[in-house]
This record gives sequence, C-alpha cells and structure tokens, in this order.
Amino acid sequence: DGGITQSPKYLFRKEGQNVTLSCEQNLNHDAMYWYRQDPGQGLRLIYYSQIVNDFQKGDIAEGYSVSREKKESFPLTVTSAQKNPTAFYLCASSPRVALEQYFGPGTRLTVT
Amino acid sequence: QKEVEQNSGPLSVPEGAIASLNCTYSDRGSQSFFWYRQYSGKSPELIMFIYSNGDKEDGRFTAQLNKASQYVSLLIRDSQPSDSATYLCAVNTNAGKSTFGDGTTLTVKP
Repeated sequence: DGGITQSPKYLFRKEGQNVTLSCEQNLNHDAMYWYRQDPGQGLRLIYYSQIVNDFQKGDIAEGYSVSREKKESFPLTVTSAQKNPTAFYLCASSPRVALEQYFGPGTRLTVT
Repeated sequence: QKEVEQNSGPLSVPEGAIASLNCTYSDRGSQSFFWYRQYSGKSPELIMFIYSNGDKEDGRFTAQLNKASQYVSLLIRDSQPSDSATYLCAVNTNAGKSTFGDGTTLTVKP
C-alpha cells in the first residue's frame, strides 16, 4: 500500500525532554511538510523540504528541528525549547513543491 | 490580517442544499489553491485543487478561483450528512510555502 505513515499515534513526554516524531512515505514524493494543529485552529507550517538534504523553516520553526537524509523520511524533533509542545502534529508529502499534499494520520503529543 | 481567511462559521445547511465555503488570501504570488476536508480527530484529506481562474468541477464539488479578487470558494451541491466536517482552504506559493486557513465547520442536517 502506498501512503504516509506517522508513528506513534499518541506520545506522552515530560517537560524538558526532546522527542522525535517519525514520518515515512512510499509515494516517491519529492516534497514533505510538517504542520502543527491546535484545537479549533488550522494547520501551521513548521518546516518543509523540497528535496533530499534540503529544508526550509515555516512560520513556527522555533523549538523544532528536522532532517531529510532520505527521500522517504522526514523526522521532526520537538526540543525542550518549544514552549507549548502539546498539539496534533501532521506530516504531509506532495509530488513536488506547490502541488497537492497528502497527509499522514498524525501524532498527538502531550507534554506534562 | 491573516494570510488566508475563511468564513468563521459554523455553517449549517439542510440535506440536499448547496453549501458555499469562501476563502480569501493576501499573497498575490500564490499559485496553487486547495480545499481539504477534516473530520473531527482525523487528518485532512484533499478534495479539490485549482490553479487557474474560473471553475473546476468534480462530482458534487466545484472550486472557483478569482486571482484578481484573491478569492477562492468551494461549492458542495446536494449536501449530505456525511459532508459534515471542517473544510480547510490552503494556498501555496511556487517557492513551496504552504498556508492554511483556520477552517469552516459545516453541519448538514438531515
């Protein structure tokens, strides 16, 4: 099956800990994206990558880091510098930048 | 001013009616426009995309784009209870930056 997978579905962490969210796609898409969604709000862009070994900051990159070492994978690290990390995190991919995006199932992160 | 603005909602229509969802954007460099549907607790799914001025129809859905007015809309004909969801408008520039509106929640009443 082609698609985008994110793991885990739910993640709980203590404040002060870094945590890495996984995103994998087997659609052979060049571009990948990370978004954050808070209750009742739209999606806010954290980072995006147009191609392997390249990525750009989105609107809310502070406290987050990414890597794009493989076409299929775009992991997101939520660092202890992120002040309000509890949110629904969504990964997406598209054939190339500016085209339609396809979303993974999301990871709900709770930090206490 | 937000980069992408949608009707604040919620929007309620009776079953079988036409639902009209609107979106305006501020970046004149925007090149591609998308509508996603998001059910509560789920991730967004693509409904329509439109790149050129005019109308684009796909089944019960019609997307309309007017770049001069910086306006994009989604019409849902013969609305069904299963269409009840939050609809997200998204705008991309050619540089790859993607901006979403806050969404409009639609309820279709049987």
